[in-house]
Amino acid sequence: GENVEQHPSTLSVQEGDSAVIKCTYSDSASNYFPWYKQELGKGPQLIIDIRSNVGEKKDQRIAVTLNKTAKHFSLHITETQPEDSAVYFCAASDVGSGYSTLTFGKGTMLLVSP
Amino acid sequence: NAGVTQTPKFQVLKTGQSMTLQCAQDMNHNSMYWYRQDPGMGLRLIYYSASEGTTDKGEVPNGYNVSRLNKREFSLRLESAAPSQTSVYFCASSVAANSPLHFGNGTRLTVT
Repeated sequence: GENVEQHPSTLSVQEGDSAVIKCTYSDSASNYFPWYKQELGKGPQLIIDIRSNVGEKKDQRIAVTLNKTAKHFSLHITETQPEDSAVYFCAASDVGSGYSTLTFGKGTMLLVSP
Repeated sequence: NAGVTQTPKFQVLKTGQSMTLQCAQDMNHNSMYWYRQDPGMGLRLIYYSASEGTTDKGEVPNGYNVSRLNKREFSLRLESAAPSQTSVYFCASSVAANSPLHFGNGTRLTVT
């Protein structure tokens, strides 16, 4: 099955700085890479996703890049704000026996200080 | 439009007791999932249902059973709870494979 490694486990930045979270995956057949944000006491919520036929995708202050050759993808948040503080999870599709499920990284706790 | 609704929000069980976690979605999604979240372990897939009438094991299925009652509802049952099943359980749904997951707000389960 798929294996997803996520780094760093914690990240502290000052408001206005950029934050980068990196993930690597093991299965070259993976073709869908979403990122989720989880606030305290809530379920994860999709913030951006990318498919294997695209190298980069942006949505306002958030961007994701994908390097299929190296099997890694990254989340970039620019001009961070205190409300960006949360736990972020990357995931990669696990094609497995035919139906594709998602395998998640262990998460990154992002703390944005005012 | 409530999205994915999980009940109960909190539960405390004694070792050996049984219980069923309920999940319902109102988005007409085909696929539903149960994940558990433990500190430092991320989200791990317990069981999933690709479509109504089918269920399959995920990464950590031991000690659990599931039922896809209809297109809207997907329940998770613990027949004989163990302390190792203390966790936060999330139900999710999606239109299909490789499409965004929509999560409920979780059930926090403690087994003593």
